[in-house]
Amino acid sequence: DGGITQSPKYLFRKEGQNVTLSCEQNLNHDAMYWYRQDPGQGLRLIYYSQIVNDFQKGDIAEGYSVSREKKESFPLTVTSAQKNPTAFYLCASTSGSQSNYGYTFGSGTRLTVV
Amino acid sequence: AQSVAQPEDQVNVAEGNPLTVKCTYSVSGNPYLFWYVQYPNRGLQFLLKYITGDNLVKGSYGFEAEFNKSQTSFHLKKPSALVSDSALYFCAVRAPISSGSARQLTFGSGTQLTVLP
Repeated sequence: DGGITQSPKYLFRKEGQNVTLSCEQNLNHDAMYWYRQDPGQGLRLIYYSQIVNDFQKGDIAEGYSVSREKKESFPLTVTSAQKNPTAFYLCASTSGSQSNYGYTFGSGTRLTVV
Repeated sequence: AQSVAQPEDQVNVAEGNPLTVKCTYSVSGNPYLFWYVQYPNRGLQFLLKYITGDNLVKGSYGFEAEFNKSQTSFHLKKPSALVSDSALYFCAVRAPISSGSARQLTFGSGTQLTVLP
């Protein structure tokens, strides 16, 4: 079955440590997105990528970095510069031909600073 | 810029009663509107969408939504609520592709629906 896989489901980060969240899709979607979800604040866009080797900052990109070396993969690195990284992170994708259907979402990664 | 407002953080309804979750939007041009549902510690699941056509849109699990252009609203409704409908609901809007929005969805802040047995 096609879909988006996020891993790990739970991740713990120590102060000053960089961590990378994985997002892989087998839907042949062009565009991929990373969102951060905090209680009561809905979804906030971190980064997005419309094509391979290209990505754009979203509303809250500071302290995060991404890469898009393959169409299927869009990993997110939470750097030590992100002072409050504890949150639920969601990856999503869509294609040009199916964008009328909005996004397909992964099941999320919950990141906790310890 | 496009935006979505969900004015209620929490909606409580008794099982068997009708439910409404409110959403208003702001976007240039004709909107593409979506509703998603999220269960705890899970990703968002697509419920329904409005692109064009009939103002009343039917979706998954018996949900429907009514597009009202004059009121810029897209309220989610269900005639008879179930306890299993309890979840977090998000409304989202996107401008048409021709506006150069890079297919970006803008989400509301979410409404927690609790259906009481």
